[in-house]
Amino acid sequence: KAGVTQTPRYLIKTRGQQVTLSCSPISGHRSVSWYQQTPGQGLQFLFEYFSETQRNKGNFPGRFSGRQFSNSRSEMNVSTLELGDSALYLCASSRDSDNQPQHFGDGTRLSIL
Amino acid sequence: QKEVEQNSGPLSVPEGAIASLNCTYSDRGSQSFFWYRQYSGKSPELIMSIYSNGDKEDGRFTAQLNKASQYVSLLIRDSQPSDSATYLCAVKSGGSYIPTFGRGTSLIVHP
Repeated sequence: KAGVTQTPRYLIKTRGQQVTLSCSPISGHRSVSWYQQTPGQGLQFLFEYFSETQRNKGNFPGRFSGRQFSNSRSEMNVSTLELGDSALYLCASSRDSDNQPQHFGDGTRLSIL
Repeated sequence: QKEVEQNSGPLSVPEGAIASLNCTYSDRGSQSFFWYRQYSGKSPELIMSIYSNGDKEDGRFTAQLNKASQYVSLLIRDSQPSDSATYLCAVKSGGSYIPTFGRGTSLIVHP
């Protein structure tokens, strides 16, 4: 069974640009969550999508947005990039149940110059 | 505010010893508990799930849950240098689809 697939694995952008990251969940998983991980802050929850709707949202500015498609694949967009957006962005999928664990993709490492 | 607390470490143990990693949580409504292992530069990997009080064993790993005291722990027996990683504790409340993660404990197993 294929795991969570994230593309691209690495990205280098400059301040002010925008970026789109992609995530394909495990087959049968309809919940997709996004996290930002930095050395100083640990795992920070961005948002969760289910059935093409944002169901939960973390405490990030509106520059961070996402969407989910009918096949459960998800994209995350960051506009007007800032140096502080440099981080590992992780996507996690799970079955839609409150007792199921999340499974993570390999992440996209975003570097802002 | 749901909180999950872990000692950041590093916890250093000799090869072959038992490593004990602890996690406490604030929400008494928590029902699902998970341990993830994260190697440096990699993504978190699920290693254990536990839902009921008591112990759950999987190979060299044992998860222990005590809901009355609001803690969950992970024991790693016969620790190996390859176990050196950061271990994340994650807790889900009943009815919640999003776990709350601790900041992780760094484990170093030295030969």
